[in-house]
Amino acid sequence: GQQLNQSPQSMFIQEGEDVSMNCTSSSIFNTWLWYKQDPGEGPVLLIALYKAGELTSNGRLTAQFGITRKDSFLNISASIPSDVGIYFCAGYNSGGSNYKLTFGKGTLLTVNP
Amino acid sequence: EAGVTQFPSHSVIEKGQTVTLRCDPISGHDNLYWYRRVMGKEIKFLLHFVKESKQDESGMPNNRFLAERTGGTYSTLKVQPAELEDSGVYFCASSRKTGGLYGYTFGSGTRLTVV
Repeated sequence: GQQLNQSPQSMFIQEGEDVSMNCTSSSIFNTWLWYKQDPGEGPVLLIALYKAGELTSNGRLTAQFGITRKDSFLNISASIPSDVGIYFCAGYNSGGSNYKLTFGKGTLLTVNP
Repeated sequence: EAGVTQFPSHSVIEKGQTVTLRCDPISGHDNLYWYRRVMGKEIKFLLHFVKESKQDESGMPNNRFLAERTGGTYSTLKVQPAELEDSGVYFCASSRKTGGLYGYTFGSGTRLTVV
């Protein structure tokens, strides 16, 4: 089946630093998604990317959909303590009966105040 | 609107016992999905309901897992008998439209520990 390789597995940074994480896939997706999971909660959608090459921002978050449609990255600028959590990339192929998300293993982010 | 509700939030059971997890989707969402995350691994798709029908259960690990959605409202996921490797966080999600991401929302999950 489709697999996503997400890196890094974990990051420990100082407040105010920028963060970058990425995801690569063995196959093509036509939609890339980035989720954040806070402790005790479910994944919450941060950014959705629908077109190869697309660069999208949401506040301090910026994500890009790779040209090959097999990769994506997420940047967080000027990190703050509430950025702590697990970040997941997910791939999705719309159309037909497609409905399931394929997730990476997650990046655990710790921000030291 | 109320979100996707799952309970219990935590469950600790002994190997060989039975556990039933429940998910209440967002009202009006015909599509309901179950996912599972084993510690340190990816969140994996288990199955998808459209109303009361199973659209795809290709992700179900084995026949110890039984999902139902009577009446097309809430869903239950029963594990019988539970094994150690079943431990993990079980997420439910619901969405309004098949094949689309409209309103695709996750619940807070049930953390299952089998000892």
